[in-house]
Amino acid sequence: EADIYQTPRYLVIGTGKKITLECSQTMGHDKMYWYQQDPGMELHLIHYSYGVNSTEKGDLSSESTVSRIRTEHFPLTLESARPSHTSQYLCASSDTEAFFGQGTRLTVV
Amino acid sequence: QKEVEQNSGPLSVPEGAIASLNCTYSDRGSQSFFWYRQYSGKSPELIMFIYSNGDKEDGRFTAQLNKASQYVSLLIRDSQPSDSATYLCAVSGGGADGLTFGKGTHLIIQP
Repeated sequence: EADIYQTPRYLVIGTGKKITLECSQTMGHDKMYWYQQDPGMELHLIHYSYGVNSTEKGDLSSESTVSRIRTEHFPLTLESARPSHTSQYLCASSDTEAFFGQGTRLTVV
Repeated sequence: QKEVEQNSGPLSVPEGAIASLNCTYSDRGSQSFFWYRQYSGKSPELIMFIYSNGDKEDGRFTAQLNKASQYVSLLIRDSQPSDSATYLCAVSGGGADGLTFGKGTHLIIQP
């Protein structure tokens, strides 16, 4: 069983609020990823990290930012949430194969 | 840029038949290949991985890899309605490289 956790599972928040989605893993993986996925649609890579103090933007442009101060922790922050940010956000970590967290379903009203 | 291509489907297969899912990749240096299953509203879960040319079997699932043709496939024998899901192909170059995912194939098993 994969040990990667995301909180919160569900979040409804007003426009303009700052939010941080948490992702933690206990597997000691160097590589971590954030994906955005709308219902029935493909995964879009928005951020990734190959280790502490390493972060890169993914294929899909995103207004979010990430940090990687500790190996096990890879939070994603939206400084000012908008309705267009409504989506599911999936965190993953990998050594060879990737393991996914349960996701955060974000709704911005 | 590394690319992983899959037919988005939907692929409709009768219950009990063999479902065949295909994937091609652009980076000839790719070394590791994975199949994930994603149910609607859930996270992807790993079901198979393969590193060497040939076939790898695990229960009703068989992964096939042909590096010369840059092609990887997943066969599901005795398909069940519970196999209905989106199947994601993922490829890694190994070492420091991360995973590149395809867009997924939506599989429907008809009772």
